[in-house]
Amino acid sequence: QQPVQSPQAVILREGEDAVINCSSSKALYSVHWYRQKHGEAPVFLMILLKGGEQKGHEKISASFNEKKQQSSLYLTASQLSYSGTYFCGFPRGGSNYKLTFGKGTLLTVNP
Amino acid sequence: DAGVTQSPTHLIKTRGQHVTLRCSPISGHKSVSWYQQVLGQGPQFIFQYYEKEERGRGNFPDRFSARQFPNYSSELNVNALLLGDSALYLCASSKGGFETQYFGPGTRLLVL
Repeated sequence: QQPVQSPQAVILREGEDAVINCSSSKALYSVHWYRQKHGEAPVFLMILLKGGEQKGHEKISASFNEKKQQSSLYLTASQLSYSGTYFCGFPRGGSNYKLTFGKGTLLTVNP
Repeated sequence: DAGVTQSPTHLIKTRGQHVTLRCSPISGHKSVSWYQQVLGQGPQFIFQYYEKEERGRGNFPDRFSARQFPNYSSELNVNALLLGDSALYLCASSKGGFETQYFGPGTRLLVL
């Protein structure tokens, strides 16, 4: 059961905001967010832990709602460099290292 | 500090052949995980090794195997290659396996 991400793709103009959602059918205790640019490796953005606070990275922040079993990534005042595919990952299989990733959300920021 | 390194960067093989992919983790990291990423999908977990022991395995056939060496580098081996094995193979390192995983640039494998 992989995380479900929405939307699948979003196109922004520089300076606009976006929200990417990630949900699970099972209880979560952490969420990992990565960004991957075309032809490159995924780059770690942030990890949110159960009971933890909202995290931030540059103008990118995220929240984790344990009850709803979902996380949201907020990109404010988007920059061209934010373009890429965003993945959320959940630990699975009784471990907190075996990450299961969603299919990703393709974000394109245009001038 | 050097990040995770992987070799080779690209590889072309034919069906039935064997392939070995290599990974060196970030200095000080003792855990290496392997992921397979096919086009349009997120990375899919294959293995994790910590202190040279297999800690976890994903839903992959026995044709896939791996090992970790005393210097914490790792190899992923795939036997009897199938067309469906064509993918980007990513290695990720972490300090103890339970923390943030940092990905290498990957090895792009094409099976013809």
